[in-house]
Amino acid sequence: GNSVTQMEGPVTLSEEAFLTINCTYTATGYPSLFWYVQYPGEGLQLLLKATKADDKGSNKGFEATYRKETTSFHLEKGSVQVSDSAVYFCALKDTGRRALTFGSGTRLQVQP
Amino acid sequence: GAGVSQSPSNKVTEKGKDVELRCDPISGHTALYWYRQSLGQGLEFLIYFQGNSAPDKSGLPSDRFSAERTGESVSTLTIQRTQQEDSAVYLCASRGDGLTNTGELFFGEGSRLTVL
Repeated sequence: GNSVTQMEGPVTLSEEAFLTINCTYTATGYPSLFWYVQYPGEGLQLLLKATKADDKGSNKGFEATYRKETTSFHLEKGSVQVSDSAVYFCALKDTGRRALTFGSGTRLQVQP
Repeated sequence: GAGVSQSPSNKVTEKGKDVELRCDPISGHTALYWYRQSLGQGLEFLIYFQGNSAPDKSGLPSDRFSAERTGESVSTLTIQRTQQEDSAVYLCASRGDGLTNTGELFFGEGSRLTVL
C-alpha cells in the first residue's frame, strides 16, 4: 500500500536558519507528490507539488525535488522566518487512487 | 462560497451520542473528501465523493460512520454511538474538475470533536 513518512517534530530553528524536513514515500504506481502547510488557526493549504521524477516544486522560497531513486521529497528553505511557523504535511497521490495519502506532519517553530 | 466551510468548529459530546458534521465545499467543486486528523497522527482518509458517482467509502473505520452528499453541494458526516477514540479533527476538502482541476485540495478549518 501507499505510505508517507516524515521526520518527527517539532523542529525549532532560529530566524534565517536553513530548513530541511525529510519526507520519504512508498507507492505502487507513479505518484504525484505534495507539501501542504497548516498555519495556526487555518486549514491546510497547498505549498508546492511535483508530478514526475526530477521535477522541482517551489513556492514562497520553499523547494522540494521529486527523487524517484531515493523515493524522497524533502522540503527545504534557505532562510526561514517566524511567519513560517506551521505544521507541514507531505502527501502523495498515486495513479488510480483519488485520495491523497498524508504523512503525520512536522511542526516547525521559528524563533526570532 | 469563497472557501470550504465546516460546522460546527467545535463539538463536545457524550459517549454514545450521535453527531453530525457539515461541509460546504467551494462552489462548482465536484470532488469532496473527508479526512480525520487525530492527535499526533497524519490525516486519515475517510470518504470521497465525485459528482453523481458512487462514493469511495474505503476509509470509513466502522459502520458507525456514514456520509452523504446531495449533488455537488453540502456533505454531512454522521458518527453514530460515538466513542472516545472518535475524538479528532474532521477535515473536509474539495477539488475542482475539468479546467478547474489543478489536483489541489482546498481544505476547511475542520470540526474538532471531543467525546467525553
